[in-house]
Amino acid sequence: EVLLLESGGDLVQPGGSLRLSCAASGFRFTSYAMSWVRQAPGKGLEWVSGISYSGDSIYYADSVKGRFAISRDDFKNTLFLQMNSLRVEDTAVYYCANSQGVIITTLGHWGQGTLVTVSS
Amino acid sequence: QSVLTQPPSVSAAPGQKVTISCSGSSSNVGNNYVSWYQQFPGTAPKLLIYEDIKRPSGIPDRFSGSKSGSSATLGITGLQTGDEADYYCGTWDGSLNAGLFGGGTKLTVL
Repeated sequence: EVLLLESGGDLVQPGGSLRLSCAASGFRFTSYAMSWVRQAPGKGLEWVSGISYSGDSIYYADSVKGRFAISRDDFKNTLFLQMNSLRVEDTAVYYCANSQGVIITTLGHWGQGTLVTVSS
Repeated sequence: QSVLTQPPSVSAAPGQKVTISCSGSSSNVGNNYVSWYQQFPGTAPKLLIYEDIKRPSGIPDRFSGSKSGSSATLGITGLQTGDEADYYCGTWDGSLNAGLFGGGTKLTVL
């Protein structure tokens, strides 16, 4: 069974930092591209960042470029999202998801999400 | 305002058919595969359709996808009250070099 378990969400002040983790199991992690997707309270889905299966290709939404960094540890089957210079508008549930098919945005399995709240 | 345009809401009676559109441009829908997701309140999204028309295992054939030019469509036949959810389209944008989702469509089964 594919499992994706996010952690690291918390309440943080504007300008602060957080590191999200996504522990993967039940599939060959090293063969899958991965993405982070967020959903602000009462709003729709927003794709945040993606990383290829090899880690060689990394992509970001314009809204987080220069502030967020995605990475993966293939030995620990874990995906990360380092979030710096956090803003109130970054408040959201953050999901990790694995990609299936030929493009990174085909998100086959999702975690349950972790809540990030940016507020003073 | 999302780059991919979906109707905010659609509704139909049980047993009927509904379609949800996703309109984009040549940089996204027109030249990249579209996927569709179903989300119930308080839960993670679930993949319904990928590569425009394919269904993952376990997804009933009441759900279908199609695409023409820069517009994609999700069709749901034999509507059930359990289909009431939010539906999102998603794809890649080659100009932005980033992923995109539509704004989402709330389906009500009357």
